[in-house]
Amino acid sequence: EAGVAQSPRYKIIEKRQSVAFWCNPISGHATLYWYQQILGQGPKLLIQFQNNGVVDDSQLPKDRFSAERLKGVDSTLKIQPAKLEDSAVYLCASSPLRGYEQFFGPGTRLTVL
Amino acid sequence: AQRVTQPEKLLSVFKGAPVELKCNYSYSGSPELFWYVQYSRQRLQLLLRHISRESIKGFTADLNKGETSFHLKKPFAQEEDSAMYYCALRSGGTSYGKLTFGQGTILTVHP
Repeated sequence: EAGVAQSPRYKIIEKRQSVAFWCNPISGHATLYWYQQILGQGPKLLIQFQNNGVVDDSQLPKDRFSAERLKGVDSTLKIQPAKLEDSAVYLCASSPLRGYEQFFGPGTRLTVL
Repeated sequence: AQRVTQPEKLLSVFKGAPVELKCNYSYSGSPELFWYVQYSRQRLQLLLRHISRESIKGFTADLNKGETSFHLKKPFAQEEDSAMYYCALRSGGTSYGKLTFGQGTILTVHP
């Protein structure tokens, strides 16, 4: 079975620019997660979707971050405008509905200069 | 609020030695705990889950509710165990499925 796909793998932007990340979960997985992993820290959940509805976005900085999940499948995460402290790896994961295991993508490494 | 603490950022052992990666948690409900692992140039993946009480790749972890700990143990470390290990706690309730990760421990097993 194909794994979680993410693109791009790397992105370098200047502060105040905008950036978008894309995630394609494992086919049939109802739940999709976006995590932010800052160097030296564990992943932190930004937003969790179940199908195309938001379950948890309590740690999403909504003044600059937005996310959507179209038709309950693919998802995009956007940052507008980016700040230096947004430099991190952005991980997408998916799981079956009520499944306990999360399957992670390779991540997108963002560098904000 | 829930929290997961891994007190050791780095852990080095020699091949064949026992290894223990520490994890402590705080959570007001009934915890569900996991260990995830990331090998070099690979994706983050599940290693084991406390409910299953399995031994995966020789690793075991026991949930100690009295000490609020979920330490990962292996009696004889192998070089291929070198990786980043994360302890994680899963929420229930309205945030069902949300994982809270610790900071991770880099395990290096020397030949």
